[in-house]
Amino acid sequence: EAQVTQNPRYLITVTGKKLTVTCSQNMNHEYMSWYRQDPGLGLRQIYYSMNVEVTDKGDVPEGYKVSRKEKRNFPLILESPSPNQTSLYFCASSLLGQGSGELFFGEGSRLTVL
Amino acid sequence: KQEVTQIPAALSVPEGENLVLNCSFTDSAIYNLQWFRQDPGKGLTSLLLIQSSQREQTSGRLNASLDKSSGRSTLYIAASQPGDSATYLCAVNNNAGNMLTFGGGTRLMVKP
Repeated sequence: EAQVTQNPRYLITVTGKKLTVTCSQNMNHEYMSWYRQDPGLGLRQIYYSMNVEVTDKGDVPEGYKVSRKEKRNFPLILESPSPNQTSLYFCASSLLGQGSGELFFGEGSRLTVL
Repeated sequence: KQEVTQIPAALSVPEGENLVLNCSFTDSAIYNLQWFRQDPGKGLTSLLLIQSSQREQTSGRLNASLDKSSGRSTLYIAASQPGDSATYLCAVNNNAGNMLTFGGGTRLMVKP
């Protein structure tokens, strides 16, 4: 089954404790992206990647890092999480980049930073 | 900077009604526009993707139109059902093809 898988789905952590949210897709998509969704602010793009070893900032990249060492994986790294990073995070992927491809989303990862 | 607006923010209709959801955007130089559905606590599911050269796309009871010159898109849902209850989001892809800007969504409730 074609899918985008995120882990963990739910996480409660404390300020400053490094964490990684993994994202994996099995559709051989070149394009992958991370979004955060907050009440009243909607969905905002954090980082995206057009292919292996190619990443770029979205609208709200501060406090986040990403890497794309393999085509199927695009982890989101919070080196020193802060309470303002409490949010619902989504990973997404598409074929041939956003320009032409339908975007597939993961189920989301709800992060709480205390 | 692209801004995407969806009005109304919430809509409640009786089952069987035909309805239209609206999406407007400020920069008409778009590459494509997608409509998504989001159920509570779930990810987004793509419903329809309209390329900038297209005027509309149809899938089952759903029809999405695009008018780039006026900066508007509509999602038409025919014969609504309680299972259509969800939040519907539109997202505009800018001309560079890399940045997706989302609207705030319309929360739809279809009452039996």
